[in-house]
Amino acid sequence: SQQGEEDPQALSIQEGENATMNCSYKTSINNLQWYRQNSGRGLVHLILIRSNEREKHSGRLRVTLDTSKKSSSLLITASRAADTASYFCATDEDDYKLSFGAGTTVTVRA
Amino acid sequence: KAGVTQTPRYLIKTRGQQVTLSCSPISGHRSVSWYQQTPGQGLQFLFEYFSETQRNKGNFPGRFSGRQFSNSRSEMNVSTLELGDSALYLCASSAPTGDKVDTQYFGPGTRLTVL
Repeated sequence: SQQGEEDPQALSIQEGENATMNCSYKTSINNLQWYRQNSGRGLVHLILIRSNEREKHSGRLRVTLDTSKKSSSLLITASRAADTASYFCATDEDDYKLSFGAGTTVTVRA
Repeated sequence: KAGVTQTPRYLIKTRGQQVTLSCSPISGHRSVSWYQQTPGQGLQFLFEYFSETQRNKGNFPGRFSGRQFSNSRSEMNVSTLELGDSALYLCASSAPTGDKVDTQYFGPGTRLTVL
């Protein structure tokens, strides 16, 4: 079973535009992480936000967390072709276990 | 530091066979996790090892097993392969920081095809 659900499932944007994707989860968490995966390769960690944080930035990435709504969002600003990938949120619903959502596939058009 | 390495990268097996996949974590990382990724089920947690002890296990049949060695390298084994075991198997390592789950560093994966 999957803890998180991403929305939308797929997103197509023009280079230079912003991309926003959302993640909802079911149980209480200590932290939420976002990962990127290019074409069926390994996942790359993007950012970790703790349950007592509301917003976090890393370069062109902005993550928000609303624990009352059990939701998070990932914003990629000024998108580039290299941002084309699948993005996953993941939560620590259980000790030593990362639970992933279904992912959002982002396509950045030149 | 070298990243997480997984061998082999690609594997083709037939139903009924067994397979062993290997994972070498980042130097200094003592936690190793395994995940199965399929188009239908997405990313599913298999198990996590720390200091040769399995600390958590996902909802998979007993055909899936793993172990960790004293040098933190890990292997997973799937016996009596079924067609549905075709998947990308991902290994991830982490350096424990006291969190329930730490930042995971993933390897490139092993693509297993069962015919």
